[in-house]
Amino acid sequence: DTEVTQTPKHLVMGMTNKKSLKCEQHMGHRAMYWYKQKAKKPPELMFVYSYEKLSINESVPSRFSPECPNSSLLNLHLHALQPEDSALYLCASSLLSGEKLFFGSGTQLSVL
Amino acid sequence: GIQVEQSPPDLILQEGANSTLRCNFSDSVNNLQWFHQNPWGQLINLFYIPSGTKQNGRLSATTVATERYSLLYISSSQTTDSGVYFCAVGRSGTASKLTFGTGTRLQVTL
Repeated sequence: DTEVTQTPKHLVMGMTNKKSLKCEQHMGHRAMYWYKQKAKKPPELMFVYSYEKLSINESVPSRFSPECPNSSLLNLHLHALQPEDSALYLCASSLLSGEKLFFGSGTQLSVL
Repeated sequence: GIQVEQSPPDLILQEGANSTLRCNFSDSVNNLQWFHQNPWGQLINLFYIPSGTKQNGRLSATTVATERYSLLYISSSQTTDSGVYFCAVGRSGTASKLTFGTGTRLQVTL
């Protein structure tokens, strides 16, 4: 299995909703990442988990809350988002932190 | 932070043509990766190449870390090569914090 699986593929939510994005990999990777990508822009790093511990938070607003329940799963909990948070959210993993990245297909999020 | 510049920003090729994409970066790195983002948004890792030369089929890449640039070569281009090519780099000591360049948008026509 060489895939990073993200669900859902599309999500529409209101500003008062709470939702979660999920990411799963079964490659034995010990580093997992969340990136945000706005249209026609490059991906921007949000969070890095290494061995299930948060190692990097790129000053992301607290309305985004990451969670790594085990070495295969990564969640991103969303609460009280703003319309400007609408973007493609990409999960990635690597064998170890700083190594070759494998991306999931992303969740296209729209905040109304 | 580290600056990553890619050129050209846009490129249109006829099928079968060859091309060279360039990535310049402003600081020493020990992590450099090339990605292709297809029109459906999927990012595919093409190369992990902090230094040296690698080849994979019609694609090859060279990184000259001492001169702070990397090149991606596409030979005999196909329409499926269309999309955006990103270079991403990580500085020594913070290799997991990849900074992406602004990308080269490639369109291959029949």
